[in-house]
Amino acid sequence: DGGITQSPKYLFRKEGQNVTLSCEQNLNHDAMYWYRQDPGQGLRLIYYSQIVNDFQKGDIAEGYSVSREKKESFPLTVTSAQKNPTAFYLCASEGASTDTQYFGPGTRLTVL
Amino acid sequence: GQQLNQSPQSMFIQEGEDVSMNCTSSSIFNTWLWYKQDPGEGPVLLIALYKAGELTSNGRLTAQFGITRKDSFLNISASIPSDVGIYFCAGQGFDRGSTLGRLYFGRGTQLTVWP
Repeated sequence: DGGITQSPKYLFRKEGQNVTLSCEQNLNHDAMYWYRQDPGQGLRLIYYSQIVNDFQKGDIAEGYSVSREKKESFPLTVTSAQKNPTAFYLCASEGASTDTQYFGPGTRLTVL
Repeated sequence: GQQLNQSPQSMFIQEGEDVSMNCTSSSIFNTWLWYKQDPGEGPVLLIALYKAGELTSNGRLTAQFGITRKDSFLNISASIPSDVGIYFCAGQGFDRGSTLGRLYFGRGTQLTVWP
């Protein structure tokens, strides 16, 4: 079953704790992306990666970190420096020949 | 960053009616995409447009890539209750100095369909 998986679906953390969100794809896509979605605000780009071991900041990278050690995986860490981390987080990937991004099911993070 | 203006913000229609929504941008895009998002799920690609003037259909959905490359519209004909959701437009552009095209999203159109 091909596609993009994100885990877990729901995540709860205490304020001040770092938390890592998982994103895996078996589509053999080179590029991967992380977005944050808040009600009424659409999707905002956090980080993106064009190739293994390389990534770029998006529009709202402060308080987040990523790694791209494998082509299939692009985990996002929400650090304690992120002032308002409660949101819906979406991962996406894109193949070199498609110019089209495909999304995972999302992870809803709630910081208590 | 580049700004996309999507309208309307929300629509309340009766089953069977047609729907139209659009996106405009101050920048030129090479690709326009339309996604639908159900509550608590990731966006699903509906239609992709790659050429100015292109008109593409997917069942009851029709989308067009504007001639100026700065706008796109999505029409839904004969709406049904399962059309409910948030519809997003996205245009692909390039940040200065980058060779990676990134997507810029509209804020979405929330569609409600009454039976």
